[in-house]
Amino acid sequence: GENVEQHPSTLSVQEGDSAVIKCTYSDSASNYFPWYKQELGKRPQLIIDIRSNVGEKKDQRIAVTLNKTAKHFSLHITETQPEDSAVYFCAASSLQGAQKLVFGQGTRLTINP
Amino acid sequence: DAGITQSPRHKVTETGTPVTLRCHQTENHRYMYWYRQDPGHGLRLIHYSYGVKDTDKGEVSDGYSVSRSKTEDFLLTLESATSSQTSVYFCAIRGQRGATDTQYFGPGTRLTVL
Repeated sequence: GENVEQHPSTLSVQEGDSAVIKCTYSDSASNYFPWYKQELGKRPQLIIDIRSNVGEKKDQRIAVTLNKTAKHFSLHITETQPEDSAVYFCAASSLQGAQKLVFGQGTRLTINP
Repeated sequence: DAGITQSPRHKVTETGTPVTLRCHQTENHRYMYWYRQDPGHGLRLIHYSYGVKDTDKGEVSDGYSVSRSKTEDFLLTLESATSSQTSVYFCAIRGQRGATDTQYFGPGTRLTVL
């Protein structure tokens, strides 16, 4: 089955700097890769996703890149702000059928003022 | 997000007792999911449903059963709760928001098994 590894487990950056979180997956059949943000005590919230037919997707300060050959994808946050502090999860699945998401272990991002 | 609710939101129970968690949606989505979240493990799929009376196992299904007798409700049952089932449980629905076909989570249920 699918296995998703996420790094780093914790990340601390200065406000205004960029943050990068990386994930690798094992199943070449996976073609859907969402990213979720979870604030303390809250539910995971989708922030961006990418499908395997594109290599990059941007939404304001957030971007995701995908390298299908290497089976890895990354989340990039630019011009970080204090409200970006949260735990971020990557996930992978096939869009066909049940969309059984397999999640990475999470990255705790702290933005230092 | 307002279309998914979970009950109860918090529960403390004792080892060996049965527990049922409820997920309710108001948006008529076909797919519903139960995940558990534990430190260091992210979220792991327990069971999912693809229609009324249609369910299947996820990666950590041992000790859990599910039922879906109505489109809007998906129940997760721990037949005999154990301390290893202490966790936060999230329900999710699969839906279309704009161009995105993905999963959206309920508010979660914090379960403590003593």
